[in-house]
Amino acid sequence: GAGVSQTPSNKVTEKGKYVELRCDPISGHTALYWYRQSLGQGPEFLIYFQGTGAADDSGLPNDRFFAVRPEGSVSTLKIQRTERGDSAVYLCASSFGLYNEQFFGPGTRLTVL
Amino acid sequence: KNEVEQSPQNLTAQEGEFITINCSYSVGISALHWLQQHPGGGIVSLFMLSSGKKKHGRLIATINIQEKHSSLHITASHPRDSAVYICAVSKGTNFGNEKLTFGTGTRLTIIP
Repeated sequence: GAGVSQTPSNKVTEKGKYVELRCDPISGHTALYWYRQSLGQGPEFLIYFQGTGAADDSGLPNDRFFAVRPEGSVSTLKIQRTERGDSAVYLCASSFGLYNEQFFGPGTRLTVL
Repeated sequence: KNEVEQSPQNLTAQEGEFITINCSYSVGISALHWLQQHPGGGIVSLFMLSSGKKKHGRLIATINIQEKHSSLHITASHPRDSAVYICAVSKGTNFGNEKLTFGTGTRLTIIP
């Protein structure tokens, strides 16, 4: 079956612009997670959803970052007034409940010029 | 000091060798994950464990909760095992997937 998909796969933007990154989880997975991975580093937790609500958003670095999951399926990570330091690979994962393994998407590589 | 430390950072071995990658953590956890990341970025979950030992094919993961330590073993290593192996812990109190904290990974290269 279809895995987790993320679009776009690559996004190049200019400093100060707004970007949206999309994640389509595996159908039926109730939990969805966003991570950020900088070059040479392990992933860093940003936020996770259980259903439509953000269960823990403590990893979002500041108020320029926001994520939604309005219907409990697709999620969008929104970044306002992008900065060069936001450049990273943004990873999405989903799981069936919070006890089961996570399935990762291929990531979106964001480059802020 | 990072909450999750992995060793070694890099490991090169000959095909067929027994591989051990270590992970130590300094916080209370509800579960520990081992993940595999191939060049190009794709991450695959290998194990999620909260006690004891799990085995899948040539891969074995163990955890010692008292010592806050986990190991990932690969038997009869093969060049296709070459990847970055990442340890992550869930700091949530109830579930295994809450707010994962990741190590920086161990880059494994298996030479034919």
